[in-house]
Amino acid sequence: KAGVTQTPRYLIKTRGQQVTLSCSPISGHRSVSWYQQTPGQGLQFLFEYFSETQRNKGNFPGRFSGRQFSNSRSEMNVSTLELGDSALYLCASSPWTGPSYEQYFGPGTRLTVT
Amino acid sequence: QKEVEQNSGPLSVPEGAIASLNCTYSDRGSQSFFWYRQYSGKSPELIMFIYSNGDKEDGRFTAQLNKASQYVSLLIRDSQPSDSATYLCAVNTPYDNAGNMLTFGGGTRLMVKP
Repeated sequence: KAGVTQTPRYLIKTRGQQVTLSCSPISGHRSVSWYQQTPGQGLQFLFEYFSETQRNKGNFPGRFSGRQFSNSRSEMNVSTLELGDSALYLCASSPWTGPSYEQYFGPGTRLTVT
Repeated sequence: QKEVEQNSGPLSVPEGAIASLNCTYSDRGSQSFFWYRQYSGKSPELIMFIYSNGDKEDGRFTAQLNKASQYVSLLIRDSQPSDSATYLCAVNTPYDNAGNMLTFGGGTRLMVKP
């Protein structure tokens, strides 16, 4: 089975711009979660989508948003980029939603904001 | 606020030895516990998960959970240089709409010396 894929793998953007990242989950997986990883804050939960609905959202400003399509693919959008948004953005897929389901991470998108 | 604590290391062990990685968590309602391995520049890879008190073994890896002490550990037997990586402990606490939200510790860097 193919793993989680994320595109693009690397991005360089300027402050004030917006960016859209894409994630395709493992085939058959219905849940997609997004995480941000930085050296200072570690891995932090952004949000989860299941059946095209946002299940939960972490403690991030409204500039961070996402959506999920009927084929379970997901996108996240960051508007009005700030320097502090430079990070590795990771997508994780899971067969279903709930605490007993394992999550599998994609390779990540490395975003650099200049 | 939920917290997951890990010693940042580095934990240095000789090849062939047992590496013991520890994690404590603050929320007594936590239900699921995951260990991820992350090589430098790569995304986290799921290696173990445990839901019940006691030990769970998979090959050279053993996860141990003690909910009374709010403590989860990962033992790596016959450590190999290829095990050198950062090990992340993650916890899922079920509450309304928690879904697949994981709270991560800061990770322990393991170095296995030949």
